[in-house]
Amino acid sequence: AQSVTQPDIHITVSEGASLELRCNYSYGATPYLFWYVQSPGQGLQLLLKYFSGDTLVQGIKGFEAEFKRSQSSFNLRKPSVHWSDAAEYFCAVGPYSSASKIIFGSGTRLSIRP
Amino acid sequence: DAMVIQNPRYQVTQFGKPVTLSCSQTLNHNVMYWYQQKSSQAPKLLFHYYDKDFNNEADTPDNFQSRRPNTSFCFLDIRSPGLGDAAMYLCATSMQRGQGVDTEAFFGQGTRLTVV
Repeated sequence: AQSVTQPDIHITVSEGASLELRCNYSYGATPYLFWYVQSPGQGLQLLLKYFSGDTLVQGIKGFEAEFKRSQSSFNLRKPSVHWSDAAEYFCAVGPYSSASKIIFGSGTRLSIRP
Repeated sequence: DAMVIQNPRYQVTQFGKPVTLSCSQTLNHNVMYWYQQKSSQAPKLLFHYYDKDFNNEADTPDNFQSRRPNTSFCFLDIRSPGLGDAAMYLCATSMQRGQGVDTEAFFGQGTRLTVV
């Protein structure tokens, strides 16, 4: 079965501290992996994506993620968070083919401590 | 230069009164999705269109219907909204060609539906 797991429901970090949000997936074929961010009352904005190639991908707003096939993980990182990074973060898998659909993790809410 | 546009941003409807939410795209993508997102939850896929082919999720209630009259537009119809249907409804699009040239999903800003 296809699934995405984000084990951390809520994380609080201090402004300027580093951040890592975890994501594990189960997918039958080569996954297309995404991280989206959602501010309150807004739609989802793509931070970064992995299709193939270099397993370390750079995204917008200073975020990066690393694909580790052996661990079925795609963790999101940022070396120094800003107060404006407070939001909900969703890891997602797919779409891969016309029969596929995007599968979202349950999300991680990030709070920033001043 | 908004690419996926949802109207309206906020919709209030009466219990049991049919309501339609709209989504338009300027990306010429062949796949359009409708998601329901309740507070503090992940988006839940209701259905998606691949071109004109409609794909309904098994657990989507019959109360929810969709129409895609052309590539650019897709509508979500809720025939008899209940209080439990109050949520954010997200439209998304993607381009599916296969063979590693697919795109990610692009989301609209959502429509917040309130049922009174």
